[in-house]
Amino acid sequence: EAEVAQSPRYKITEKSQAVAFWCDPISGHATLYWYRQILGQGPELLVQFQDESVVDDSQLPKDRFSAERLKGVDSTLKIQPAELGDSAMYLCASSAGVNTEAFFGQGTRLTVV
Amino acid sequence: GDSVTQMEGPVTLSEEAFLTINCTYTATGYPSLFWYVQYPGEGLQLLLKATKADDKGSNKGFEATYRKETTSFHLEKGSVQVSDSAVYFCALSDRGSNYKLTFGKGTLLTVNP
Repeated sequence: EAEVAQSPRYKITEKSQAVAFWCDPISGHATLYWYRQILGQGPELLVQFQDESVVDDSQLPKDRFSAERLKGVDSTLKIQPAELGDSAMYLCASSAGVNTEAFFGQGTRLTVV
Repeated sequence: GDSVTQMEGPVTLSEEAFLTINCTYTATGYPSLFWYVQYPGEGLQLLLKATKADDKGSNKGFEATYRKETTSFHLEKGSVQVSDSAVYFCALSDRGSNYKLTFGKGTLLTVNP
C-alpha cells in the first residue's frame, strides 16, 4: 500500500543548530503539505505545495524555516537556527489534488535541547 | 477565518460504552468536514468525512452527520472497544483556504476493558 514516507522519525538537536526533515509523498500526488503539531494541540499548516509551487506559506516562520520541493516530488523542510519552542511533531501529507483526501506520514518528532 | 472547536478531553470509557465527541466549526465558505484518528506514535489517519449538509460519514462503527444549521459534526460510536483508544481530531477544509485542513485541538479517548 502506498504511503507517505518521512525521515528521520526522531531528531534531537541543540538550539541554534540547523535541522532538516525529508518527505516523499505518494507517487503521483501533486499536493504536499507540511504541518506542525505541538504536544496536546492539533496540527497547523506550515506550507502547502502544488507541484513545485508554494500555494500557502502564510504560517511559516520565514526568518528560520524554509521549505522546498524542487522537482515537484519529494520535499525538505529546514529550520535554522532551531529554538526550544520548535520542539514538536512535523507531519507531511500529500493528496492527488486540492480537495481530495490527504494522507499523512508518521511524522518526525523534533526535540530541541 | 476557519476554526474548529472540539470537546476537551480526556474521555475515559468502559468497553462497550457509547461515545460522543462534540465538534463545531466556523468557516467562511461551505466546508468539507473530517474526523481523523491518531494512534500513539503514529501519523493521522482519515476516519470519516462528509462534504455537504446532512451527509453522514461512517467507518469502523463510527458515524458523524454534517449539520449545517448547528455548524456541527459530532462523532459517535455505539459500542467502543479498547482498540479505539487514540486521539481524535475534527477538521475542515474549504475552497477559500486552498483546501488546507484546519484541525481542532484533539480529544484523547481511553477505553478500559
